[in-house]
Amino acid sequence: QKEVEQNSGPLSVPEGAIASLNCTYSDRGSQSFFWYRQYSGKSPELIMFIYSNGDKEDGRFTAQLNKASQYVSLLIRDSQPSDSATYLCAVGIQGAQKLVFGQGTRLTINP
Amino acid sequence: DADVTQTPRNRITKTGKRIMLECSQTKGHDRMYWYRQDPGLGLQLIYYSFDVKDINKGEISDGYSVSRQAQAKFSLSLESAIPNQTALYFCATSGSGGSNEQFFGPGTRLTVL
Repeated sequence: QKEVEQNSGPLSVPEGAIASLNCTYSDRGSQSFFWYRQYSGKSPELIMFIYSNGDKEDGRFTAQLNKASQYVSLLIRDSQPSDSATYLCAVGIQGAQKLVFGQGTRLTINP
Repeated sequence: DADVTQTPRNRITKTGKRIMLECSQTKGHDRMYWYRQDPGLGLQLIYYSFDVKDINKGEISDGYSVSRQAQAKFSLSLESAIPNQTALYFCATSGSGGSNEQFFGPGTRLTVL
């Protein structure tokens, strides 16, 4: 089992809809969770991080964490074509000294 | 100016050549990392360093070496490049406190023929 798993997609969502991206992780001791956005050929860009169970909102983005289920998700409201990218889930291990990345979910927002 | 820079941005080389990729940062972070990314895959950690005297292997360190010349500089070397090292290479930095998020450089696209 991979340490961090994401559905590789592609995930296609109509413009204006909610995009839901999911990630599961295997290390129950993980305490920090990150979502990065990566445009094709570019470097990953941090969108959000979350440490506590529940929801964390930042603009159109909401991160959700459920440590009991070892599950973290990212919701993008009012999806825009500019949100089309690959979204990488990362989990902090060893006290967040290192990050383990999922393989990423490719998201396409259709106008 | 970018906080994390990488040179070169693109490099084509031949099998057996020694290659060095360089990373510099102005963020004042202690921690620096080298990752590789293959098409359709996530990021794999090659090496990481928490300060100038601290170097650690990541999950795929074979065939690579690193040097932390200063707090702001972290170089990755391929001692004898092989075609399956063709990939996109990223340097990242993070602070030692707070949320520990990592910030990435623009990447180096390396092709080994």
